[in-house]
Amino acid sequence: AQSVTQPDIHITVSEGASLELRCNYSYGATPYLFWYVQSPGQGLQLLLKYFSGDTLVQGIKGFEAEFKRSQSSFNLRKPSVHWSDAAEYFCAVGGRAAGNKLTFGGGTRVLVKP
Amino acid sequence: GAGVSQTPSNKVTEKGKYVELRCDPISGHTALYWYRQSLGQGPEFLIYFQGTGAADDSGLPNDRFFAVRPEGSVSTLKIQRTERGDSAVYLCASSSGTGETQYFGPGTRLLVL
Repeated sequence: AQSVTQPDIHITVSEGASLELRCNYSYGATPYLFWYVQSPGQGLQLLLKYFSGDTLVQGIKGFEAEFKRSQSSFNLRKPSVHWSDAAEYFCAVGGRAAGNKLTFGGGTRVLVKP
Repeated sequence: GAGVSQTPSNKVTEKGKYVELRCDPISGHTALYWYRQSLGQGPEFLIYFQGTGAADDSGLPNDRFFAVRPEGSVSTLKIQRTERGDSAVYLCASSSGTGETQYFGPGTRLLVL
């Protein structure tokens, strides 16, 4: 069975500081990995995805993520956060073996201090 | 172009009533997914359509839940005899095919009183 763990429920970061959100997954075949962001009352917006190839993936809004197969991780990073980055972030795993139905982690809520 | 749309955006109903939630996918997308997001949790898979047929309905919690996609475009999620535990945000997503990126709609917030 596939699963995703996001160990940090809440993270508080100062504006301009760096941010790293952790994601560990379990999947029996080649995974497809995603990070989505959800602002209050909004749907899910795709930040970036990994299907294959280069393990360092660039996304929108200055985010990047690195796929580490040996650690079953897909951590999200941003060098300098903006107040508008305050939101909830979800990591998800899927793949062709599962019809690409996604399994999501529990989310990490990011608060940005001025 | 237009994204995934869902109607209604909010639905309040009483315990025991029947509700229908609608999803309009991105034009041309053949795959359509339904997820449910309870408060403070990540979305959970319910059902997935490839074309008109349900390719995987393993996430439907019980037989009160049913979904259709008769013409391979719009989908309706139907919940019979609603219970308070059904209160959640129901999210729809579509993709251009199995294994491709899913794009989500804004969701329908269902409250069962």
